[in-house]
Amino acid sequence: DTGVSQNPRHKITKRGQNVTFRCDPISEHNRLYWYRQTLGQGPEFLTYFQNEAQLEKSRLLSDRFSAERPKGSFSTLEIQRTEQGDSAMYLCASSLAEIYGYTFGSGTRLTVV
Amino acid sequence: AQSVTQLDSQVPVFEEAPVELRCNYSSSVSVYLFWYVQYPNQGLQLLLKYLSGSTLVESINGFEAEFNKSQTSFHLRKPSVHISDTAEYFCAVSDSRNTPLVFGKGTRLSVIA
Repeated sequence: DTGVSQNPRHKITKRGQNVTFRCDPISEHNRLYWYRQTLGQGPEFLTYFQNEAQLEKSRLLSDRFSAERPKGSFSTLEIQRTEQGDSAMYLCASSLAEIYGYTFGSGTRLTVV
Repeated sequence: AQSVTQLDSQVPVFEEAPVELRCNYSSSVSVYLFWYVQYPNQGLQLLLKYLSGSTLVESINGFEAEFNKSQTSFHLRKPSVHISDTAEYFCAVSDSRNTPLVFGKGTRLSVIA
């Protein structure tokens, strides 16, 4: 198992453009989480899936953000009409359940210019 | 909703000295507690966790944390730190309903030779 994989590692985009990130979880993990981390802060929860069902979304996830997990495998996080405030590290994690802890990917660093 | 407070944003300590990184969480009937470590330019890794039973939990690299229900704390300690322990440490909590982990803002541990 290669762990949780996130692509791309880095993304620089102009304000107003749309971006999409991909996360490939550990294959047997049915739970997949998206977090955002900014400088000097801990990871902030965005949303999570159990299999293909999106079970919870944070208030941080504005209408410009959408996440999918088709077929309960990989997941995508799309940000439409990016703003400078969207600049952050976007982290993906997967797990069987909270009691096992999460396995995190290396993250996608988004810079909006 | 759960919240986590890490009381120190930065902790400098000399090599081979002891260290304590403090973590307090908001009260709940039952919680799961975690410490994650993030080495420079790497993803978050699970360091140790408390689910139930013995209040003292240990990691493989010499860290330990003690669950204190009355003080709602889960402080991380190491009796003698190494240069390689330099990293950011995050405390996280989930309640027994398997809600997604809530993270603290992190404590940057800097070990000085």
